Amino acid sequence: NAGVTQTPKFQVLKTGQSMTLQCAQDMNHNSMYWYRQDPGMGLRLIYYSASEGTTDKGEVPNGYNVSRLNKREFSLRLESAAPSQTSVYFCASSELPGTGYTFGSGTRLTVV
Amino acid sequence: GENVEQHPSTLSVQEGDSAVIKCTYSDSASNYFPWYKQELGKRPQLIIDIRSNVGEKKDQRIAVTLNKTAKHFSLHITETQPEDSAVYFCAASIPNAGGTSYGKLTFGQGTILTVHP
Repeated sequence: NAGVTQTPKFQVLKTGQSMTLQCAQDMNHNSMYWYRQDPGMGLRLIYYSASEGTTDKGEVPNGYNVSRLNKREFSLRLESAAPSQTSVYFCASSELPGTGYTFGSGTRLTVV
Repeated sequence: GENVEQHPSTLSVQEGDSAVIKCTYSDSASNYFPWYKQELGKRPQLIIDIRSNVGEKKDQRIAVTLNKTAKHFSLHITETQPEDSAVYFCAASIPNAGGTSYGKLTFGQGTILTVHP
């Protein structure tokens, strides 16, 4: 049982390049989330998907797009990467609303 | 939206001492308060959580207390050990308009706990 799997684990992009961060969970969870973690700022919500077929903006959605491909997968896309998007990105899922998250292992992204 | 403030940002204790981390939240509708531990280079992991209908919850050496009137909640770690050294995050969740919650968590800024042997 893998839990929440994120790929890639590390990535370096040049300013203006695009990429997609992948996330998949095998726990049959309904809700999935993307957070970014920056020093001293905790975890900030980018986008979330309460259930398959729905997505909503979080606290810091600018510069990102998401796709809930199916119940298992929730991807995050950077269309034109900027240095301000250098961060560690965590995907998470939860079985029921109001329960604790299970996090993936994170993607460390550097934009130069 | 919800705002969660966490204090202190760093906390240093001797092994065996107690550690307390406090969080305040802004939205009185918040109804779920988890705490996460993140070791260096690892993912955050849930260590304890509390719902708004409960005032205190304990699990071995850790406990969480909730004061809904004052809108704050705290994590208490007793008999600290070096392996408790990590970053701790509090979070709060607000129900949606229908009264259920999407589990959308707002996190505090984190507390770096260091336990010295």
